[in-house]
Amino acid sequence: KAGVTQTPRYLIKTRGQQVTLSCSPISGHRSVSWYQQTPGQGLQFLFEYFSETQRNKGNFPGRFSGRQFSNSRSEMNVSTLELGDSALYLCASSLTAVSYNEQFFGPGTRLTVL
Amino acid sequence: QKEVEQNSGPLSVPEGAIASLNCTYSDRGSQSFFWYRQYSGKSPELIMFIYSNGDKEDGRFTAQLNKASQYVSLLIRDSQPSDSATYLCAVTDSGTYKYIFGTGTRLKVLA
Repeated sequence: KAGVTQTPRYLIKTRGQQVTLSCSPISGHRSVSWYQQTPGQGLQFLFEYFSETQRNKGNFPGRFSGRQFSNSRSEMNVSTLELGDSALYLCASSLTAVSYNEQFFGPGTRLTVL
Repeated sequence: QKEVEQNSGPLSVPEGAIASLNCTYSDRGSQSFFWYRQYSGKSPELIMFIYSNGDKEDGRFTAQLNKASQYVSLLIRDSQPSDSATYLCAVTDSGTYKYIFGTGTRLKVLA
């Protein structure tokens, strides 16, 4: 069974640009969560989607947005990039969106903002 | 603000010893607890999960949960240099079920 895939793996952007990251969950998984990981802040929750609906949202500004498609694939978008947005962006999938479901992470997209 | 606390380390243990990693959490209603291993430059990998009080063993790994004291621990027996990594503790929020991660404990197993 294929794991979680994320594209692209690496991105270099400049301040003010926007970026779109993609995540394909494990086949059959319907919940996708996004996280930002930086050395100083650790893993910070961005948002979670289940059946094309945003179920949970973290404490990030509105520049960060996401969506989920009917095939459970998800995208996240960051507009007006800032230097502080440089981070590893991780997507995790789980079967459903209840407490007892384990999350499995993709390899991540490393974003560098210059 | 619901929190998960871990000692950042590094925790250094000799090869073959038992490594003990600890995690405390603030949400008394949390139901699910997870341990992830993350090698430098890689994404987190799920290694253990536990839902009930007590111990759960899987190979060289044992997860221990004490809901009354609000702590969860991970024991790694016969530690190997390949176990050197950062170990992340995650707890589900009782209201939203989203994961709350600790900042991780860096483990170094010395050959």
